[in-house]
Amino acid sequence: AQKITQTQPGMFVQEKEAVTLDCTYDTSDPSYGLFWYKQPSSGEMIFLIYQGSYDQQNATEGRYSLNFQKARKSANLVISASQLGDSAMYFCAMREGVDSSYKLIFGSGTRLLVRP
Amino acid sequence: DTAVSQTPKYLVTQMGNDKSIKCEQNLGHDTMYWYKQDSKKFLKIMFSYNNKELIINETVPNRFSPKSPDKAHLNLHINSLELGDSAVYFCASSRLQGQPMNTEAFFGQGTRLTVV
Repeated sequence: AQKITQTQPGMFVQEKEAVTLDCTYDTSDPSYGLFWYKQPSSGEMIFLIYQGSYDQQNATEGRYSLNFQKARKSANLVISASQLGDSAMYFCAMREGVDSSYKLIFGSGTRLLVRP
Repeated sequence: DTAVSQTPKYLVTQMGNDKSIKCEQNLGHDTMYWYKQDSKKFLKIMFSYNNKELIINETVPNRFSPKSPDKAHLNLHINSLELGDSAVYFCASSRLQGQPMNTEAFFGQGTRLTVV
């Protein structure tokens, strides 16, 4: 079964508007971490934001925020005030376990295109 | 200074050849990884090393052999290259020992391997 599911292969958003990228996950481990990465056309992987399973509040980093709904096992990324430079692939990823979990499991990604 | 650097950035080679990709991190991290990104952008972990010890080997063909001479380096050697090996290979590192779950992985720029 898929551990991380991103159901939107592609999304469009108008510049300056907000957009939500969906991510659902599947784990039975009570301790886990959720990450979002951005991959622009140049190819590098850029870390954006992190949410821990025990965090009481939704994570925020500048224009990025995470809508974390633990009971629904979803960790959607919200980008506010979209900019042209936000056009990229976005990946949701999960690390499971408390002690030395040695891998990130990635979703299939969402390609976001910001329209001027 | 580049945190995680991999060389070469592009590699074009013929089927049956043997090639290596080098990776170095200057972040003082104890864990390094190799990920493969296929043509559909799906990222899958191949190997994970912690303090030079192989921790994860995700059903990768024996033709792929990682080597970690020290904690700062993790090289990937591929024997008898096949067409299906064409992909982008990412090296990454993180500090996991004694760290909380929010330790993100830092990625290299990727190596685009094309087998012809």
